[in-house]
Amino acid sequence: DAKTTQPNSMESNEEEPVHLPCNHSTISGTDYIHWYRQLPSQGPEYVIHGLTSNVNNRMASLAIAEDRKSSTLILHRATLRDAAVYYCILRDVRGYGGSQGNLIFGKGTKLSVKP
Amino acid sequence: GAVVSQHPSWVICKSGTSVKIECRSLDFQATTMFWYRQFPKQSLMLMATSNEGSKATYEQGVEKDKFLINHASLTLSTLTVTSAHPEDSSFYICSASGGNSPLHFGNGTRLTVT
Repeated sequence: DAKTTQPNSMESNEEEPVHLPCNHSTISGTDYIHWYRQLPSQGPEYVIHGLTSNVNNRMASLAIAEDRKSSTLILHRATLRDAAVYYCILRDVRGYGGSQGNLIFGKGTKLSVKP
Repeated sequence: GAVVSQHPSWVICKSGTSVKIECRSLDFQATTMFWYRQFPKQSLMLMATSNEGSKATYEQGVEKDKFLINHASLTLSTLTVTSAHPEDSSFYICSASGGNSPLHFGNGTRLTVT
């Protein structure tokens, strides 16, 4: 799987938007961009994923660069409950549902939210 | 949405004993489940891939005789840590996917070996 690069940590104020960047310059055409987050002492939680177009769901938005070499996870209004480690992971669509479908986790971005 | 249930959420055991951790997919069938391990302040590391009805595939450096995996049905995989030692103390997390959908994770099992 192609590698991703994320800042080690970021800070945000409560109620403000947060933009979490991810670089993936070696992404291949069959790689989906996934975002997961992990709260302390919990398993990772799926946030959002996309291939080429920007995506929105109830948790966040995903903005994907036109060349797909970078993406940004957008939390529109950060809350204290959003403090977590956010992982940007590439997953080859050909591995979905099969034994190659595991996720390779990097170090992620630790997001702190200040009240 | 898809839910993966993991049990127990925490366990304390004595050195030399064995511990079984269960991972269930609650509303979908999973032919493949994955087991991860996470040490404090580190990221998740894949231990093994659990395949329903066949032997698990272990990552390099993971002892298959120590970490026994059984995937007897499409909704249940178990990880047994045999003859546990203090260095096996860690956070164990399973995940599963129902076909063309994102992986979902259990809430993890905190194992402490005394």
